[in-house]
Amino acid sequence: DGGITQSPKYLFRKEGQNVTLSCEQNLNHDAMYWYRQDPGQGLRLIYYSQIVNDFQKGDIAEGYSVSREKKESFPLTVTSAQKNPTAFYLCASRQGVNNEQFFGPGTRLTVL
Amino acid sequence: AQSVTQLGSHVSVSEGALVLLRCNYSSSVPPYLFWYVQYPNQGLQLLLKYTSAATLVKGINGFEAEFKKSETSFHLTKPSAHMSDAAEYFCAVSDRYGGSQGNLIFGKGTKLSVKP
Repeated sequence: DGGITQSPKYLFRKEGQNVTLSCEQNLNHDAMYWYRQDPGQGLRLIYYSQIVNDFQKGDIAEGYSVSREKKESFPLTVTSAQKNPTAFYLCASRQGVNNEQFFGPGTRLTVL
Repeated sequence: AQSVTQLGSHVSVSEGALVLLRCNYSSSVPPYLFWYVQYPNQGLQLLLKYTSAATLVKGINGFEAEFKKSETSFHLTKPSAHMSDAAEYFCAVSDRYGGSQGNLIFGKGTKLSVKP
């Protein structure tokens, strides 16, 4: 089945540690996205990539980093510089400018 | 900058009643418009999308939405609510032109409760 996988489902991290969230898609989509979701805030764009080896900052990129070395993979690193990292993180992909984005199941990150 | 407003963070209806979730966008150029649904601790699933001349769009699970350019609205409706419709609903827009093509801007969401 084609789709997007995110791992792990739940992630716990101590303050001051970097952590990497995985996102893989087998839909052969060019564009991939990372969003952060907080209660009552909707989804906010962290980073996006429209092609391999290229990515752009979204609205809330501070404290995060990404890479896009392969078409199917777009990992997100939450660094210790992110002041309030506890949130639900969603990865998505898209093909075509008028097409919808497909979402993964999400990773819930909790900082202890 | 493009923005999306969803009126009402919580909506409660009785089972069998009409569901109406409101969405207004800010762009003077009609954008692409989307409605997504999210169940607790899950990703988002597309309900329907508007990308063409057909102003009434039918989606999955009996939902539909009407694009009204004069009102800059794209409200989501369902004639008869079912218990399984209880979830959070997000309206999103995407510019048709420019460097941010394909990027989605989301509303803050509306949680729908369905009473038996």
